[in-house]
Amino acid sequence: DQQVKQNSPSLSVQEGRISILNCDYTNSMFDYFLWYKKYPAEGPTFLISISSIKDKNEDGRFTVFLNKSAKHLSLHIVPSQPGDSAVYFCAASARSSNDYKLSFGAGTTVTVRA
Amino acid sequence: DAMVIQNPRYQVTQFGKPVTLSCSQTLNHNVMYWYQQKSSQAPKLLFHYYDKDFNNEADTPDNFQSRRPNTSFCFLDIRSPGLGDTAMYLCATSEGVNTEAFFGQGTRLTVV
Repeated sequence: DQQVKQNSPSLSVQEGRISILNCDYTNSMFDYFLWYKKYPAEGPTFLISISSIKDKNEDGRFTVFLNKSAKHLSLHIVPSQPGDSAVYFCAASARSSNDYKLSFGAGTTVTVRA
Repeated sequence: DAMVIQNPRYQVTQFGKPVTLSCSQTLNHNVMYWYQQKSSQAPKLLFHYYDKDFNNEADTPDNFQSRRPNTSFCFLDIRSPGLGDTAMYLCATSEGVNTEAFFGQGTRLTVV
């Protein structure tokens, strides 16, 4: 039962433009959300997170938006750079329930075109 | 410096031949996880340790076992690998409820 879903397996964007990655979840107990980035032949690396008490968190070129009522979050990358080409995973956990396990989406492959 | 190290990076094993994957960490984190990721799928949690407490996911096959002899090391044992166990195996650590998990580079296992 996939509790975190990334419905777009791939995204192609031109360098300098905005990349928008989407993620939906079904478990209403999830209250902490993370994005990981993965290059080929490497493990995922943490990118940015957001707690359910916020609806936006920004870190440089990366911004995550959370819409709790829609059980939806998105990651915006602006401007996109060639080094952003990677697989991006959305993940969620239920911290307030002391459940620190992460549930992952299947990932979105981003390709930034020069 | 690598903080979560997995060995080997690549492993080929024969159908039914036991195999062990290893993970070590320098972060002194309480929690260590093993994930299985098949091609184009989400990483799937197999089990995790909180200190010495082992927590198995309900749908993890009995074929998969784990050992954590100390804080720094954790092993994944596959007793009789099947072709369907071909996957990337990811080890991760975290400080308990701080759920920013740190991943190793993974071991790509191929069962032939």
